[in-house]
Amino acid sequence: KAGVTQTPRYLIKTRGQQVTLSCSPISGHRSVSWYQQTPGQGLQFLFEYFSETQRNKGNFPGRFSGRQFSNSRSEMNVSTLELGDSALYLCASSLILGYEQYFGPGTRLTVT
Amino acid sequence: AQTVTQSQPEMSVQEAETVTLSCTYDTSESDYYLFWYKQPPSRQMILVIRQEAYKQQNATENRFSVNFQKAAKSFSLKISDSQLGDAAMYFCAYRSPETQGGSEKLVFGKGTKLTVNP
Repeated sequence: KAGVTQTPRYLIKTRGQQVTLSCSPISGHRSVSWYQQTPGQGLQFLFEYFSETQRNKGNFPGRFSGRQFSNSRSEMNVSTLELGDSALYLCASSLILGYEQYFGPGTRLTVT
Repeated sequence: AQTVTQSQPEMSVQEAETVTLSCTYDTSESDYYLFWYKQPPSRQMILVIRQEAYKQQNATENRFSVNFQKAAKSFSLKISDSQLGDAAMYFCAYRSPETQGGSEKLVFGKGTKLTVNP
């Protein structure tokens, strides 16, 4: 069974632009969570989705948004990029709520 | 809000030796889950071990075991017979139970970088 996949793996954007990151969960998994990882702040929760509904959102500005599709694939969008948005963005999926989360390899976003 | 603290930014161990990574957490909940995740240099986060707070027995997965002290809010990871492949960042994480809103949100510590010396 294929693991969690994230595309693209690397991305370079300019300040002010917007970006969309994609996450495909493990087949059959319905829950998807997103995390931002930076050297300074560590791993921080962005949001989670279950059955196309956002269940929880972390303490991030409204520039960060996401959605989940009927096939459980998820996207996150960051608008008006800032230098501080440079980070590794990790996606994790789980079968149903309460089960172990499996992480993808991440998308490395660099904002210049 | 829950917090997770890993007081050892870096640790090193000789191959075949045993090492213990520390983790403490703060919560007012009585039921919750604790995890140790491993993130090798390739960056893929891997679940190492999981502990349910209502279970008194410490979780064990092959060479990995935990020392869960609920009253002290401590959750340390012991790696026995360390191998070169154990070198990675190790993150301790906390999650509330499903009864608390059903969130999947993990609260992570800052991590401990483990080096294994041959």
